[in-house]
Amino acid sequence: DVKVTQSSRYLVKRTGEKVFLECVQDMDHENMFWYRQDPGLGLRLIYFSYDVKMKEKGDIPEGYSVSREKKERFSLILESASTNQTSMYLCASSRRGVLYEQYFGPGTRLTVT
Amino acid sequence: KNEVEQSPQNLTAQEGEFITINCSYSVGISALHWLQQHPGGGIVSLFMLSSGKKKHGRLIATINIQEKHSSLHITASHPRDSAVYICAVREGIGTDKLIFGTGTRLQVFP
Repeated sequence: DVKVTQSSRYLVKRTGEKVFLECVQDMDHENMFWYRQDPGLGLRLIYFSYDVKMKEKGDIPEGYSVSREKKERFSLILESASTNQTSMYLCASSRRGVLYEQYFGPGTRLTVT
Repeated sequence: KNEVEQSPQNLTAQEGEFITINCSYSVGISALHWLQQHPGGGIVSLFMLSSGKKKHGRLIATINIQEKHSSLHITASHPRDSAVYICAVREGIGTDKLIFGTGTRLQVFP
């Protein structure tokens, strides 16, 4: 079974803090994704990585950066957290190619006060 | 206009009812996914299809590529089916990224 884990289920941070969200997958997947999910907006892609050290901006990359130093780990960084980054953050992974589905982590609910 | 639209946004049903959730999309796709999200956040993949129909237990997914439309059916609904159902499409064959609908919240009452 594919397992995608995220470092925290709930996180509370203050405005201006640097925040690290970590995601680890155990199935040797090439692709990893970071999404945020907000009511009424659905899942929106923040960043996508298709290989180690490779990344591609998604639809809403502003205020975020990512790091993928090892194949199994994909980190999302909020350089200076703001209240409008309060959201549910979901990580996913998949094999490369049309035939493969994405596997999601349990999500991190981040509150920035 | 969203590229992936779902209807209805909210749906309530009595246990045992037949449920249909619809998904329409405006782009050319290589695959369509149906996902389920229970309260608490975790998302699981139910179906991935590019043509025809797939069935798994009480769940059936269909797709009409010409009409750019897919439906998810739940037969003999049960309270444990209560969840958000999300449609997502993979645009073309050159990307592994998905475009998501905003989801349909289903509540099934005993």
